[in-house]
Amino acid sequence: NAGVTQTPKFRVLKTGQSMTLLCAQDMNHEYMYWYRQDPGMGLRLIHYSVGEGTTAKGEVPDGYNVSRLKKQNFLLGLESAAPSQTSVYFCASSGPGLAGGPTGELFFGEGSRLTVL
Amino acid sequence: RKEVEQDPGPFNVPEGATVAFNCTYSNSASQSFFWYRQDCRKEPKLLMSVYSSGNEDGRFTAQLNRASQYISLLIRDSKLSDSATYLCVVHNAGGTSYGKLTFGQGTILTVHP
Repeated sequence: NAGVTQTPKFRVLKTGQSMTLLCAQDMNHEYMYWYRQDPGMGLRLIHYSVGEGTTAKGEVPDGYNVSRLKKQNFLLGLESAAPSQTSVYFCASSGPGLAGGPTGELFFGEGSRLTVL
Repeated sequence: RKEVEQDPGPFNVPEGATVAFNCTYSNSASQSFFWYRQDCRKEPKLLMSVYSSGNEDGRFTAQLNRASQYISLLIRDSKLSDSATYLCVVHNAGGTSYGKLTFGQGTILTVHP
């Protein structure tokens, strides 16, 4: 079982370059999330999706775009990378709970370490 | 004000000690609550859900106080292996925030011999 897979795992960018992080899950989960983690900041929600074709903004969406064209994939794009976007990025997914929302049990990828010079 | 706030610590306790963490949330529409554990340079993993009546899992007890909008995690008889960062997570089910899972900044726990 692959679970949640993030690619790439490491990347170094120059300021102004663009890139896309790919998150793929094989659990048929409705809910998918992109977080960033910086020292002392916990995980901050960038964007999330409650189903195929939907996206919503989280706490820190500026400078990022996302797409959920297929249920199993959630893409995070940086159009013009900035040093402030140096971080560890985690993708996660969740299935539906009894009340219809996410169960709260998030399945995480291993993280993608991005450095912007 | 942040949606979810935790005391970042660090908490340094000896083996066998009891330690408690609190987490406050600002959105009264919050529906579900969870505690996660994160080891250094690893992804977070679910520790336990938090139910309205409180719940226990071995040495861990979680409680919810909706009136005061906080959740707590109590660890009894601390082990060296409990050393980690503990993160609270809140699901906001209201309106446009449906499905949003928000993390606190985490509380660092170090258990020493």
